[in-house]
Amino acid sequence: KNQVEQSPQSLIILEGKNCTLQCNYTVSPFSNLRWYKQDTGRGPVSLTIMTFSENTKSNGRYTATLDADTKQSSLHITASQLSDSASYICVVSLGRPGNDYKLSFGAGTTVTVRA
Amino acid sequence: NAGVTQTPKFQVLKTGQSMTLQCAQDMNHEYMSWYRQDPGMGLRLIHYSVGAGITDQGEVPNGYNVSRSTTEDFPLRLLSAAPSQTSVYFCASSPPGGGYGYTFGSGTRLTVV
Repeated sequence: KNQVEQSPQSLIILEGKNCTLQCNYTVSPFSNLRWYKQDTGRGPVSLTIMTFSENTKSNGRYTATLDADTKQSSLHITASQLSDSASYICVVSLGRPGNDYKLSFGAGTTVTVRA
Repeated sequence: NAGVTQTPKFQVLKTGQSMTLQCAQDMNHEYMSWYRQDPGMGLRLIHYSVGAGITDQGEVPNGYNVSRSTTEDFPLRLLSAAPSQTSVYFCASSPPGGGYGYTFGSGTRLTVV
């Protein structure tokens, strides 16, 4: 069973609207939780990284939240743009800080932004 | 800096053929790894290396070999290609200690017929 579950699997939104993606994880212990953006035909690119002691992190129009007690994270996209069309992947870094090479990946949420 | 460079970008193999996927990074990262990405699944770790001369198996190592003779290069070898190895392969690297600075290549799309 995957240790990182994302929902929804896909969604379609109109340009300018907001959306929120969900991530539930069972990994323990973990060093940090990341959100990646993966454009079609490209490798994943980091959007945010949060340690277990952080509960929010922003990168422009992207805001990630983390609730380590409930093991849930969300990624909020504000005022979506056509360029936001991509797969968004939740990733949990296993192990302790300083030795957290191994990552556990969610299957991703595919976001399509339409004009 | 070029970051993480993977070659080739696309490859079609016949069942039973062997080949090597190349991965090179110019960031002096100690940690390098190979993942495969299949539809509806998260990236899965094939093999990884924490430094030159050191490699270890990940979650799905069967059918693949790796070596790390230099810090820069981490090739992935398919010994005898099978249709189940049809996938997109990503190489990644990160600085010592892992965590921040994890960088992915742009991927190799492999089809085994």
